[in-house]
Amino acid sequence: GAVVSQHPSWVICKSGTSVKIECRSLDFQATTMFWYRQFPKQSLMLMATSNEGSKATYEQGVEKDKFLINHASLTLSTLTVTSAHPEDSSFYICSALGTSGSFYNEQFFGPGTRLTVL
Amino acid sequence: GENVEQHPSTLSVQEGDSAVIKCTYSDSASNYFPWYKQELGKRPQLIIDIRSNVGEKKDQRIAVTLNKTAKHFSLHITETQPEDSAVYFCAASITQAGTALIFGKGTTLSVSS
Repeated sequence: GAVVSQHPSWVICKSGTSVKIECRSLDFQATTMFWYRQFPKQSLMLMATSNEGSKATYEQGVEKDKFLINHASLTLSTLTVTSAHPEDSSFYICSALGTSGSFYNEQFFGPGTRLTVL
Repeated sequence: GENVEQHPSTLSVQEGDSAVIKCTYSDSASNYFPWYKQELGKRPQLIIDIRSNVGEKKDQRIAVTLNKTAKHFSLHITETQPEDSAVYFCAASITQAGTALIFGKGTTLSVSS
């Protein structure tokens, strides 16, 4: 099956700093990737849709200036949490949408990144 | 936009019993309905899915049914085992449009031996 990686798998940072999370599709191209956030004992909430070569589309209530998304290639999307605060502590999961063959329009999830802001 | 409701939020069964989790969706254009199992701290794992041109799909102990008219779909697990204990999420999306999966709130299934 298709493989999606995320880096880092966990990160601890101080309040006010910025953190970058990478999402890579390893064996397929993904023009579209999605970023989700999951708080403890809650569901995955869609934050934004990341499209290669264009601006991301953010869900209502998600601050685009705080959660910067860059999808510079067909295999890489990055999420930068700027000026992180303790309330941003969460599990961030990306998914990549397959574009061809047996992967067409299937979503494949990365392993997630645990962010803890002190 | 799409809204997915999932019930129950928690479900406790004895080993060997069946478990049923139900979801409803709001967008009639949705045509893809996967179910995920998530263990603590890990990514969701796809366990079964169904598309809107099918009413039922089965894979060993797991089955999913879809009622497009009523806009609801259900997960059925038979002969439950302790290792089935996890959080289960239903989701919905429109595959042709390449839309994101919208998830239900999840069901914590506990199977006691």
